[in-house]
Amino acid sequence: GEDVEQSLFLSVREGDSSVINCTYTDSSSTYLYWYKQEPGAGLQLLTYIFSNMDMKQDQRLTVLLNKKDKHLSLRIADTQTGDSAIYFCAEDPGVLSGTYKYIFGTGTRLKVLA
Amino acid sequence: EPEVTQTPSHQVTQMGQEVILRCVPISNHLYFYWYRQILGQKVEFLVSFYNNEISEKSEIFDDQFSVERPDGSNFTLKIRSTKLEDSAMYFCASRPGQGNSEAFFGQGTRLTVV
Repeated sequence: GEDVEQSLFLSVREGDSSVINCTYTDSSSTYLYWYKQEPGAGLQLLTYIFSNMDMKQDQRLTVLLNKKDKHLSLRIADTQTGDSAIYFCAEDPGVLSGTYKYIFGTGTRLKVLA
Repeated sequence: EPEVTQTPSHQVTQMGQEVILRCVPISNHLYFYWYRQILGQKVEFLVSFYNNEISEKSEIFDDQFSVERPDGSNFTLKIRSTKLEDSAMYFCASRPGQGNSEAFFGQGTRLTVV
């Protein structure tokens, strides 16, 4: 199947770390992405990781990839109220799978409490 | 920085009417996509377009939908006879080519069918 699963909601206090989890299905996925969507807005690419990497850090964002378990996580350090949004993971199955589309997760709504 | 632009940002139409959603992809990109997001739901793939033809489409993309790249710059999605359930945010995306090429998304067109 092509289901990419995420937990629906996450609530954290300002200043704490947030961890958003995602499980994907296609073991041949070459790239995995994290997008942020603020209310009524479009999709903003936050970061991505190549499938031969375990971890990628980009300022406050840390992406961890466990290929064996097909598990991806996004950690946001020092979470701010401006981080409140919906976060989507997306997998890119890659050329070898014969498709060029992204498969998006269900989205996790992050709420940051002041 | 180059970006994908979509017009209009919001369109309201009566059920049964035809609508055309417009997108201007990034100029040197080769792959073009439409995705949709029904309110509160995940982002779903509709169709991909390469070399002036559809390369892949989902089950959602039935005979009521069509895509066109009429003039080498615009990429349009037409819905022939809109239904209430077509109400959604429609995202256009483009990417330069195969392999590692991130897809760039437009800000979306919110379609409301009344």
